Amino acid sequence: EADIYQTPRYLVIGTGKKITLECSQTMGHDKMYWYQQDPGMELHLIHYSYGVNSTEKGDLSSESTVSRIRTEHFPLTLESARPSHTSQYLCASSRGAGQPQHFGDGTRLSIL
Amino acid sequence: DQQVKQNSPSLSVQEGRISILNCDYTNSMFDYFLWYKKYPAEGPTFLISISSIKDKNEDGRFTVFLNKSAKHLSLHIVPSQPGDSAVYFCAASVGGSARQLTFGSGTQLTVLP
Repeated sequence: EADIYQTPRYLVIGTGKKITLECSQTMGHDKMYWYQQDPGMELHLIHYSYGVNSTEKGDLSSESTVSRIRTEHFPLTLESARPSHTSQYLCASSRGAGQPQHFGDGTRLSIL
Repeated sequence: DQQVKQNSPSLSVQEGRISILNCDYTNSMFDYFLWYKKYPAEGPTFLISISSIKDKNEDGRFTVFLNKSAKHLSLHIVPSQPGDSAVYFCAASVGGSARQLTFGSGTQLTVLP
């Protein structure tokens, strides 16, 4: 079973605040991903990383930013939260080709 | 434009019977397909996958079928159990499982005891 952890699980916060969503994995996976999911909808890739100091934007445009300074850590930051950022954010990691992506339990974010 | 479509938002099946979940895709470049299961308040859990060089992959009660000409895949669960009740997502990628996944919108499966 994959060991990938996301904190916080739930966050309710006011508009304009800076937010960092944490994602850590203990498996040494090079590849990590952030997805955004609204209720009843598909997951959309917003960021991915194929290794340390490598980050790319996904298919869905997002005002968030990510960093990958360490293999195990892939935090996502919103500099100034807005109500439109309300969603669930899911982090995943993968060992590589032929191996599935494993997901954390997500952060449910509500911006008031 | 959705490249991966799960047209049935929900499905109810009696315990012990077969559950069949369907998924259609439009991008002919997809060469790797996966099914994930998601319980409320948890992240998706990988179930089973299939490469485009195969047309069937089986793992215990779960079998995935791929029909490339129809751009269609299905997940069969036999026999269905109440613990299988969850949202099932179909996903596809170009170039293997570690690449970006494109997800369908999910099907809520309810297995009735």
